[in-house]
Amino acid sequence: DGGITQSPKYLFRKEGQNVTLSCEQNLNHDAMYWYRQDPGQGLRLIYYSQIVNDFQKGDIAEGYSVSREKKESFPLTVTSAQKNPTAFYLCAIPGANTQYFGPGTRLTVL
Amino acid sequence: GENVEQHPSTLSVQEGDSAVIKCTYSDSASNYFPWYKQELGKRPQLIIDIRSNVGEKKDQRIAVTLNKTAKHFSLHITETQPEDSAVYFCAAYSGGYQKVTFGTGTKLQVIP
Repeated sequence: DGGITQSPKYLFRKEGQNVTLSCEQNLNHDAMYWYRQDPGQGLRLIYYSQIVNDFQKGDIAEGYSVSREKKESFPLTVTSAQKNPTAFYLCAIPGANTQYFGPGTRLTVL
Repeated sequence: GENVEQHPSTLSVQEGDSAVIKCTYSDSASNYFPWYKQELGKRPQLIIDIRSNVGEKKDQRIAVTLNKTAKHFSLHITETQPEDSAVYFCAAYSGGYQKVTFGTGTKLQVIP
């Protein structure tokens, strides 16, 4: 788990602002994933990337954007089009059997 | 697509008692079923998993059972301790990490 980091831990956004969440890994994995977690709900897939310069929409991609210019980095931008962005955001990489999650970023809209 | 239902949403047990959390899934192609433990404000961590060719797996106080016919799997924690208090999630994978569906979570409280 130490090989995947997210920053910041807490993030506050004003209405109409775009914000970018960072996810970095030093384990040389090709694939990276972004999930959103809301209270009382399971994790939902926002975007995933299986290789540099390529990414795919997950189940709830609307209002989000990503890039994958470097293998070790997969930043997520929460745009002003995302109407209810307050949530806990988790980045993940594949492990031997399952996924390993980063420590998460808690985003709050003011 | 896959649908995973998890019950109960909250569970309180006395220290030393057993706790059971159940999940059902809909896609018969799902073949890998992990369980995660998530403490408040922290990341989910894998605690046990089972593949579709196995009916039961045990790791000390934790066990998972799978009934493929009925499409349900369960987490069993015996001799619960206060440090077991957390939210537990099940998941079902049906081919690749992008095809995973998570349960809604069970908040387990172990009362000393």
